[in-house]
Amino acid sequence: EAQVTQNPRYLITVTGKKLTVTCSQNMNHEYMSWYRQDPGLGLRQIYYSMNVEVTDKGDVPEGYKVSRKEKRNFPLILESPSPNQTSLYFCASSLSHPSSGNTIYFGEGSWLTVV
Amino acid sequence: QKEVEQDPGPLSVPEGAIVSLNCTYSNSAFQYFMWYRQYSRKGPELLMYTYSSGNKEDGRFTAQVDKSSKYISLFIRDSQPSDSATYLCATHGSSNTGKLIFGQGTTLQVKP
Repeated sequence: EAQVTQNPRYLITVTGKKLTVTCSQNMNHEYMSWYRQDPGLGLRQIYYSMNVEVTDKGDVPEGYKVSRKEKRNFPLILESPSPNQTSLYFCASSLSHPSSGNTIYFGEGSWLTVV
Repeated sequence: QKEVEQDPGPLSVPEGAIVSLNCTYSNSAFQYFMWYRQYSRKGPELLMYTYSSGNKEDGRFTAQVDKSSKYISLFIRDSQPSDSATYLCATHGSSNTGKLIFGQGTTLQVKP
């Protein structure tokens, strides 16, 4: 079954404690991306990756890092989380660059609360 | 001005009603348009994908794009309680990031 898997699904953490949200896809997709979803602001892109070792900033990258060492994995790293990073996070992937008409698949989401 | 505008609702209809969900967009260069459905505490799931103007039908769902007025619509016929969800319109941005630009989403409740 085609899947984008995120972990953890739910997390409450404290300000400043580094955390990583993992994302893995089993579809051999080249393109992967992270979004955050906030009330009134909708879904906004944080980072994206065109392929292994190729990553770049989206619209709201501040406070986040990513890496793409393997094609299937695209972890989101919060080095020093702050309360304004409390949000619902989605990992997404597509076969190649989405503007080519490729379907984008989303994970189930990770609810992160920073206190 | 937001690039994609969508009335957040909520919208409540009786079972069997025809539902019309709408979005407007600002950039005439946008060509690909999507509708995603998002159930509570779940990720967005692609419902419909259209390119340029025209209609596309899939079962009870019809997506419509009017590029002259920069207006996109999703129609749901014979709505069911299982259609209760948030519906997000989206389009590809004109940048090379591959990002989707989403509307805020419209929350739909179909009452039995």
